[in-house]
Amino acid sequence: GAVVSQHPSRVICKSGTSVKIECRSLDFQATTMFWYRQFPKKSLMLMATSNEGSKATYEQGVEKDKFLINHASLTLSTLTVTSAHPEDSSFYICSADPGQGTYEQYFGPGTRLTVT
Amino acid sequence: QKEVEQNSGPLSVPEGAIASLNCTYSDRVSQSFFWYRQYSGKSPELIMSIYSNGDKEDGRFTAQLNKASQYVSLLIRDSQPSDSATYLCAVIYNQGGKLIFGQGTELSVKP
Repeated sequence: GAVVSQHPSRVICKSGTSVKIECRSLDFQATTMFWYRQFPKKSLMLMATSNEGSKATYEQGVEKDKFLINHASLTLSTLTVTSAHPEDSSFYICSADPGQGTYEQYFGPGTRLTVT
Repeated sequence: QKEVEQNSGPLSVPEGAIASLNCTYSDRVSQSFFWYRQYSGKSPELIMSIYSNGDKEDGRFTAQLNKASQYVSLLIRDSQPSDSATYLCAVIYNQGGKLIFGQGTELSVKP
């Protein structure tokens, strides 16, 4: 149980375009999902907390107009990187908490974004 | 600033040995602690969670928590080359569920 998927796994886009990443909980409902980014040899940095039916909560320093998050249902959250630039190239990973009171988060496989 | 500290390593152990990974955290009110394993190029995988003082064992893994010392550790018995990965310690500081990660310890198990 507690499987999270992400799509796409890898994307290359041109500077100035937008990219949408989907995160799905496959065998549980997730009121809350989390979006992280990870640079090479670095730890995970939380970008935002995605809440079903309400606005996402962004961490300090993360531009909410650049990283649009939509949590449309209890099994789907999307992250859209708008007007992407090469510095947005990173490994983006989502996670979800099955809400069993353990606060355990299960991670999707990640999306590697390269902006050229 | 809430912090989670780990030695970055690399920690190198021979196959069959016990690998000991350590983590300290800054906030005394923390209640939930996790160890994740991350292979190169992959996302983190939850291997242990611990919530109360003492030891928690799961197969070859044992997590140890000492809230008085603000210290959590992970022991891997009979280490295998397949255990070679980066191990991330993570702490939840409040009921909002936000995980704060340490920088990770790279473990290398030599055959």
